[in-house]
Amino acid sequence: DTGVSQNPRHKITKRGQNVTFRCDPISEHNRLYWYRQTLGQGPEFLTYFQNEAQLEKSRLLSDRFSAERPKGSFSTLEIQRTEQGDSAMYLCASSEKATGPFYNSPLHFGNGTRLTVT
Amino acid sequence: AQSVTQLDSQVPVFEEAPVELRCNYSSSVSVYLFWYVQYPNQGLQLLLKYLSGSTLVESINGFEAEFNKSQTSFHLRKPSVHISDTAEYFCAVSDRVEYGNKLVFGAGTILRVKS
Repeated sequence: DTGVSQNPRHKITKRGQNVTFRCDPISEHNRLYWYRQTLGQGPEFLTYFQNEAQLEKSRLLSDRFSAERPKGSFSTLEIQRTEQGDSAMYLCASSEKATGPFYNSPLHFGNGTRLTVT
Repeated sequence: AQSVTQLDSQVPVFEEAPVELRCNYSSSVSVYLFWYVQYPNQGLQLLLKYLSGSTLVESINGFEAEFNKSQTSFHLRKPSVHISDTAEYFCAVSDRVEYGNKLVFGAGTILRVKS
């Protein structure tokens, strides 16, 4: 168990540029989540995958945001035309294989990617 | 929709003193409750969880939390804190009826342990 890995750790970009973050979950986990954390707040849910299927997206995820998990393993989160309000820590988490729709298992978080939009 | 309130943004406490970090959640038929800890420059780590059964749950490093359904609370306690417990603590709730385990987090409480 090497944990959830996120790259890059830090990203500084100019307003209007596109950025992409990568998340590698724990290998046997089939659920993958993206959260966003701004200063002084707890993480906020953005989107969630089970295997390669994106099952839920928060209203926080505007049209400029897109997430993919093409082979059910790693995931990417892309932000197009970044805005200063996108500056935040972007967290990825994974959880183990579900045994049913109502099964809950704890999330394992990566260290996050800190985005600064100048 | 679920919501979580952590009543204290910062809690300063002296080493070896007891501490309580408060957490209240909005009512639901069934909930799963979690405490996560974030040490400086590290990612969120699960501290303890309540899924079902005994309302008192414990972590391996001496923290405990009690699920109180009537008061919709899940306060975190430790009888004697160490300097190394300095961190930010997040309470989170998951609504069982939702597919998956999307968490709703509180704003966090920074625990500062002083010598």
